[in-house]
Amino acid sequence: TQLLEQSPQFLSIQEGENLTVYCNSSSVFSSLQWYRQEPGEGPVLLVTVVTGGEVKKLKRLTFQFGDARKDSSLHITAAQPGDTGLYLCAGAKFRGGADGLTFGKGTHLIIQP
Amino acid sequence: ETGVTQTPRHLVMGMTNKKSLKCEQHLGHNAMYWYKQSAKKPLELMFVYNFKEQTENNSVPSRFSPECPNSSHLFLHLHTLQPEDSALYLCASSQLGLAGLIQETQYFGPGTRLLVL
Repeated sequence: TQLLEQSPQFLSIQEGENLTVYCNSSSVFSSLQWYRQEPGEGPVLLVTVVTGGEVKKLKRLTFQFGDARKDSSLHITAAQPGDTGLYLCAGAKFRGGADGLTFGKGTHLIIQP
Repeated sequence: ETGVTQTPRHLVMGMTNKKSLKCEQHLGHNAMYWYKQSAKKPLELMFVYNFKEQTENNSVPSRFSPECPNSSHLFLHLHTLQPEDSALYLCASSQLGLAGLIQETQYFGPGTRLLVL
């Protein structure tokens, strides 16, 4: 079983602060995806990282894929209340054909105004 | 709006009832998935359909029965469920890449919140 460990599980910070969420595994993934989920809704894709060492930026969000493709991080600069939500990382296996994703438990993020 | 719809959004059922969850994707994708999301657990993959063929059943109890009549529709038939089956059931779809070059971006529906009494 391929497991993804996310940390921290819960994080509550003030508006304007920076934060980093981690996603770690002992397994190698072909790609890793970050989703954000709001209450009562399904996860919405933020980014997919594919290449080891890859860094992608989405406005104030910076995503990094580890060199060995086993871990990833999400860094948010100057967090805003609109960033509040459940952040999920998910890894795709190396396999031809359709495959499901392996998800971490998620990080519950609250940004207080 | 992700292009994946699910109905109903909320469902309450007794343990002896039979009900079905429906998922429809408007994205032209060729793979569809059912996931279960419970409190304090990671999202759990239940079933995968690839070109309407079931390619994965992740040790799901037989009281859950999937059906994929075409590449746009996916059902989850429920019967004699247990209270521990109460959860958010999420449907997702994706477009398969070339074999060996899978970069799976899955698009999720809003989910069906199920409560089994």
